[in-house]
Parts: sequence; structure tokens; C-alpha cells
Amino acid sequence: DQQVKQNSPSLSVQEGRISILNCDYTNSMFDYFLWYKKYPAEGPTFLISISSIKDKNEDGRFTVFLNKSAKHLSLHIVPSQPGDSAVYFCAASDGGSNYKLTFGKGTLLTVNP
Amino acid sequence: AAGVIQSPRHLIKEKRETATLKCYPIPRHDTVYWYQQGPGQDPQFLISFYEKMQSDKGSIPDRFSAQQFSDYHSELNMSSLELGDSALYFCASSGESTGMGTDTQYFGPGTRLTVL
Repeated sequence: DQQVKQNSPSLSVQEGRISILNCDYTNSMFDYFLWYKKYPAEGPTFLISISSIKDKNEDGRFTVFLNKSAKHLSLHIVPSQPGDSAVYFCAASDGGSNYKLTFGKGTLLTVNP
Repeated sequence: AAGVIQSPRHLIKEKRETATLKCYPIPRHDTVYWYQQGPGQDPQFLISFYEKMQSDKGSIPDRFSAQQFSDYHSELNMSSLELGDSALYFCASSGESTGMGTDTQYFGPGTRLTVL
């Protein structure tokens, strides 16, 4: 049972345009959501997070939006750069279960020059 | 800034052998998590420790054990290795030193275990 779902295995965008990566979750106990970027043979790199008490968090080119009623979050990257090409994982945690992360299966983002 | 350190980065073992993976968390982080990522899969939570005590346990086989030491580093011990144990093993740490709260986990580069 996949509690965190990233339904798009891949996404391709042009440099300078917006990248939108989507994530859905089923567990209503999740209260903290994170996005990680991962290159092959490296560990996930933390990008941005959002608490369930907020609906938006912004950090430079990265913005995460949370729609609790729809159990949906999205990561916006503006403007996209070729160096952003990587696999992006959505992850969620439930503070009541000691913060272990449940991951989605990832979306491969390719930013074309 | 100091990151999570994992050793070794690569490990090749035969079936039924044992393996020990090490993790050194970010300084002043008190919580360590272990994850397993199979080929083409998402990372799966194995086990976590807070202040040297096991805090949570996921889908970790009984053949695996782990502990956190007084200097907060952690070791994952794997015995009777099977072919299916071949995977990337990530360690992550969290704490309040970065001001991000205890929910944000920072990952190490991983150990790639290959069982032949």
C-alpha cells in the first residue's frame, strides 16, 4: 500500500520554464512533508519542507504547496536549470511515529538546455 | 558544513556472510535513521535511534540488528546475507542543531551492498 504517491515517473521541461512535480498521500496522520533531490549513487539531498499547518513554503527558486483537503502537495521550480535534472522524492512523516519518512517512488526531472 | 558520513561506500559480500555498515551523524544530531533502497525502488525505513535508544522499527529482517553508540554513531549489522539484501543503504540524521526541528532528516551518501 503506497501511502505517498508520485504518479509521474518522469517530467521533461525547457530551461527557464517552470517545473511542477506532484505528490499525493493517503495517510491523514502525516503532518510534515519534504522534498528531496537525488542524483545516481548519491544520498537524497534535502530541498524544502512544509508543515501541515501551512499551505505554502518558499525558498529561492523552490516553492512547495500543500492542499490538505486534497491530500496533495506540489513542488514548483522556477526558473528550471539543467543542474536541476535529478530524481525528486516526495516524503512524509507522522510526528506520532517518531518521524520516520515514507517516500514516494520519485519523479525523474530532465531540464533541457 | 559537516554532513552525514557512511562507511564503507561499497561492499561486496557472499551469501551467508555478515556485513557491518557504519553511520556518523551530523554533529549534535541525536537521532539516526536507516533506510534501504532496492533497485528502482523508493527508500524503505528500517530502524531509528534517538539518544542511543531504539525509537522505531520498520521492515527490518530479524537477521539485521543495529545500535547507536555513546558518540551517536550507529552501526547496522547484517547476518546470513541473502541475494535480496543487495541494495543501497542510507543513513540519515536529525536534530535541533540546524534550527529545522527534529523532522528534517539529512542523508548520507549511502553504502552500496552487493551480495553475490
